[in-house]
Amino acid sequence: GAGVSQSPRYKVAKRGQDVALRCDPISGHVSLFWYQQALGQGPEFLTYFQNEAQLDKSGLPSDRFFAERPEGSVSTLKIQRTQQEDSAVYLCASSFDRRRGYTFGSGTRLTVV
Amino acid sequence: AQSVSQHNHHVILSEAASLELGCNYSYGGTVNLFWYVQYPGQHLQLLLKYFSGDPLVKGIKGFEAEFIKSKFSFNLRKPSVQWSDTAEYFCAVNAMGSGGGGNKLTFGTGTQLKVEL
Repeated sequence: GAGVSQSPRYKVAKRGQDVALRCDPISGHVSLFWYQQALGQGPEFLTYFQNEAQLDKSGLPSDRFFAERPEGSVSTLKIQRTQQEDSAVYLCASSFDRRRGYTFGSGTRLTVV
Repeated sequence: AQSVSQHNHHVILSEAASLELGCNYSYGGTVNLFWYVQYPGQHLQLLLKYFSGDPLVKGIKGFEAEFIKSKFSFNLRKPSVQWSDTAEYFCAVNAMGSGGGGNKLTFGTGTQLKVEL
């Protein structure tokens, strides 16, 4: 497609449940980013892939968060044993190169109850 | 690590008023600068970006921003706002160099703009 696609758009999880969020970047985009956006805040960096290599995971808040991009295209962000503080919008962005900018998806709104 | 400050969290303007949203960053090296807009219910969209050259950057929908290196600022301006400009605006920086954190963007907390008819 023409844009970055994320699914699901909304996810309600019970505390302690595992969730998996999917990102389908623009075809040919080498770089892929995950961000977390809490209510009333700007997006916060989680992790970055260049093709299938995870080059930076410094923003992942705990070892409950795990991301992968095994074939260098689709990426999955997994959150294990979800907690209420994980409630946020999770944004995916992709880029061919930084000079062309970053294209964001619509995000997945995760609510942990 | 770099950080971005947006001083105005909420701005209310009447149509045709002029707009200036402040953005300051903290990083001593070379930066790439961005403004993104998020309309209600939509995803983040790029308004404009600065990489090098002319510090006055023009973007879509009549927006422009000026990079002032000495002030570490990249303020967003529009001479005459419209009701359809109601949205949240985010300033972001990509810091270059070994201490810059690579390709990631660091965002400000955003400014909610409401334009009244």
